[in-house]
This record gives sequence, structure tokens and C-alpha cells, in this order.
Amino acid sequence: ETGVTQSPTHLIKTRGQQVTLRCSSQSGHNTVSWYQQALGQGPQFIFQYYREEENGRGNFPPRFSGLQFPNYSSELNVNALELDDSALYLCASSGDVLHNEQFFGPGTRLTVL
Amino acid sequence: AQSVTQLGSHVSVSEGALVLLRCNYSSSVPPYLFWYVQYPNQGLQLLLKYTSAATLVKGINGFEAEFKKSETSFHLTKPSAHMSDAAEYFCAVSDGNQGGKLIFGQGTELSVKP
Repeated sequence: ETGVTQSPTHLIKTRGQQVTLRCSSQSGHNTVSWYQQALGQGPQFIFQYYREEENGRGNFPPRFSGLQFPNYSSELNVNALELDDSALYLCASSGDVLHNEQFFGPGTRLTVL
Repeated sequence: AQSVTQLGSHVSVSEGALVLLRCNYSSSVPPYLFWYVQYPNQGLQLLLKYTSAATLVKGINGFEAEFKKSETSFHLTKPSAHMSDAAEYFCAVSDGNQGGKLIFGQGTELSVKP
């Protein structure tokens, strides 16, 4: 059974650029959630996708957008990058059951200069 | 709104000593509570979860947590710390109104001294 994978591992961008982060969910999981973890903080919920539809969104501006594909993999897109977007971005997948365990990937470390 | 507070951003114990990491929650509905561990440069791994069954929950690596509704607490304990337990620990509550999104505490860094 393959776990949650994310790519790339690290990324360096400059202010104003756009970035796309990718996540492959665990086999059998149809729900993907994205979190932003700033240095020294707990993860903050960005949004969740369930069967290709957005299923909840946290307090993040519209320049954070996402997509889920028929195979349940997902992308997180961030436009007009700001310095404060520097963080570890975590993807988690889970099954159908509400409150089910979320399995986390290793994350993508984004640095915005 | 649901929230989680972890008391103590840093806890240091000696190897073999009791580990106690504190977590208090706020929830208007019966909560689903989780403890995750994060090792440096890695994602989060689930230690244990409370889903309204037994109030004493046993997890991996010898950790356990007790749900106390009267105290709105879900503290994590381990009888004897091991050097490999050094990591960041996060308490989280699941928000059923948003597809089960996790609301995390600020985290507690556990150091284990030899």
C-alpha cells in the first residue's frame, strides 16, 4: 500500500510568482486536505477536496486554489506569492468516513524570497 | 467554534521519566480528538485518536491519552520516555462541519535528556 506522496520536496520562489504543489493520495482514499504549517506553528487548514469537489475551506485568500483529479490526486496552486507564504505545505488523505484518520504526506517546503 | 490549546511549547524530561503533554479543547459538539507526532523534516504521524468510545485511548509507541469531558482535556502520557520520543507533538480536534478538517494546537516540542 503506497502512502501519501508530495512533490516537490523543496521549492524556492520569488514574490509575485505562482506555484503548484502536488499530492498523491493513499490508495483507496477519496478525500484530500491541504494544510499550511508556518515555522514553529501548528498546521492550518487551507481546504479539502472530496470526490473532485471542494468540501470546506479555511481562512485563506482566493489566490490559494486547488484541484482534485479523478484518481483523487490533488494540486494546490498559490498565485501572487508573498513572503508570508513561506511554510511547509502538508497534504493529507482520508477515506469516506467523517472524522476518519487523515494520513499525511512528508510535505513540501516552500520558501518565498 | 472549535479550538485546541496545548499548554507548554516545550517540555523536557529525562530518559525513563513520565511524559505528560497537555491539551485542552473547546467544542460545542462531542469532539473527535487526535494526537499527532512530527519528527524533523517529516509529515505528521497519528499517535492515537478519541472517537467517543473508551475514554482511555491507547496509541502507538506506548502512548495513551485520557478524554476528560469535565475538564475538556485530552492529555497525552507515556510512562517511560525514550530518546526516540524527542519530536513535536500536536493535539487536534476534528470539525465535523467542514468535512472533518483538523484544527491543531500550537504544538509541544518534547526533548528527552539521557
